[in-house]
Amino acid sequence: DVKVTQSSRYLVKRTGEKVFLECVQDMDHENMFWYRQDPGLGLRLIYFSYDVKMKEKGDIPEGYSVSREKKERFSLILESASTNQTSMYLCASRGSYNEQFFGPGTRLTVL
Amino acid sequence: LAKTTQPISMDSYEGQEVNITCSHNNIATNDYITWYQQFPSQGPRFIIQGYKTKVTNEVASLFIPADRKSSTLSLPRVSLSDTAVYYCLVGDPILTGGGNKLTFGTGTQLKVEL
Repeated sequence: DVKVTQSSRYLVKRTGEKVFLECVQDMDHENMFWYRQDPGLGLRLIYFSYDVKMKEKGDIPEGYSVSREKKERFSLILESASTNQTSMYLCASRGSYNEQFFGPGTRLTVL
Repeated sequence: LAKTTQPISMDSYEGQEVNITCSHNNIATNDYITWYQQFPSQGPRFIIQGYKTKVTNEVASLFIPADRKSSTLSLPRVSLSDTAVYYCLVGDPILTGGGNKLTFGTGTQLKVEL
C-alpha cells in the first residue's frame, strides 16, 4: 500500500513564525501536492510538484512556498505564519492512474 | 479543467442504496471521472475511477452515460460507516506537469442513519 506521512498531526504556532510542514511518500511517485481544507471551501490546491526541484503554483499559493529536494519529500513552508493560515493541511502523491493518495493531514493553528 | 457540480448533502438509512450524481458538462475527451471519500479528520481516499459505461469494484459502482456529461456513484447497502464527504473530480490521467492537477470541489456530505 502507498503510504503518505506528514510530520505532525497537530501544530500550534505564533503569528510571524516560520513553519515547515513535511510530507513523505514511499512509492516513488513523481507528483506531489499540498492542499488546505477549510469548512465550506473544500480542498484548495496550494502548490504541486511534478519532479524534484520542479514546482507549480496551485490556486492559492500566496503566503506559501515549497521545497522538493528529494523525490520522496515535499515540504510546505509558511514564511511568516498568519492567523488566516489556520487550517487543515493535506499532502498527496499521485499514482499511475492519476489517483491521489493523501496523508493524514496536519491541523495547524496560528495564534 | 472540467468543473463539477454535485449536491451539497444527502441523507440515507442503513441498508439502502445511495446514488450520488455529479454533473461535468464540459468534460474533455481524455478526462476520466474519479470519486474520493473523506472521513472527518482524515485525508480523502480514492474510491473508483472510470471513463465510460460502468465500473464496479468492491466498494462502489460508477455509472457514466454515453455523453459523459454526468456520472453517478452508487453505494450498495450503506452502513453508518459510509457517512462521509464524497468528491467527484474529472481530469486527464495521462497529463504530466502543469496539466496534472485535479480540482476538488466542496463534495457531497452523505449522512447515514439507523
